[in-house]
Amino acid sequence: DQQVKQNSPSLSVQEGRISILNCDYTNSMFDYFLWYKKYPAEGPTFLISISSIKDKNEDGRFTVFLNKSAKHLSLHIVPSQPGDSAVYFCAASVRSNYKLTFGKGTLLTVNP
Amino acid sequence: DAGITQSPRHKVTETGTPVTLRCHQTENHRYMYWYRQDPGHGLRLIHYSYGVKDTDKGEVSDGYSVSRSKTEDFLLTLESATSSQTSVYFCAISAVTSSNQETQYFGPGTRLLVL
Repeated sequence: DQQVKQNSPSLSVQEGRISILNCDYTNSMFDYFLWYKKYPAEGPTFLISISSIKDKNEDGRFTVFLNKSAKHLSLHIVPSQPGDSAVYFCAASVRSNYKLTFGKGTLLTVNP
Repeated sequence: DAGITQSPRHKVTETGTPVTLRCHQTENHRYMYWYRQDPGHGLRLIHYSYGVKDTDKGEVSDGYSVSRSKTEDFLLTLESATSSQTSVYFCAISAVTSSNQETQYFGPGTRLLVL
């Protein structure tokens, strides 16, 4: 049973445009959500997080939106840059148990 | 990188042999984790530790054991490696970022091939 789902295996956008990566979850106990970026042959790198008490969190070019009723979150990258090309993982946790459940990832390609 | 190193970075072994992967951290973090990453599966939690000698199972713990005798080291052992354990293994620690966000920081990974 996949509790965190990233239904788009890949996404391609033009440099300068917005990239929107989506994530759905099924476990209503999740109360903390994170996005990671991963380049080949490297470990995942933390981008941004959001608590379930918020519906939006911004950090520079990255914004995460959370829709609790729909059990859906999205990561917006504006403007997209070629260096953003990577696999993006959504992760969720029940904050009190410090364990993360990951989605399968979305490969983002930003074309110059 | 939160001072996380993994060793070895690459290993080729044969089915049935024992294998131990090491995760070392230098910043005294309490929580440490082992994940594996496989195509089509994202990252899956194998085991984690919440202190010295305190460990618990994750989602895919069968065939793996762990030990933590010192705060800085978290060892993952494959008692008898199988081809299904060919994977990339990542160690992680829990921490809070400079912007006060709770997260896990990941090591560089160990690529394991079981023949």
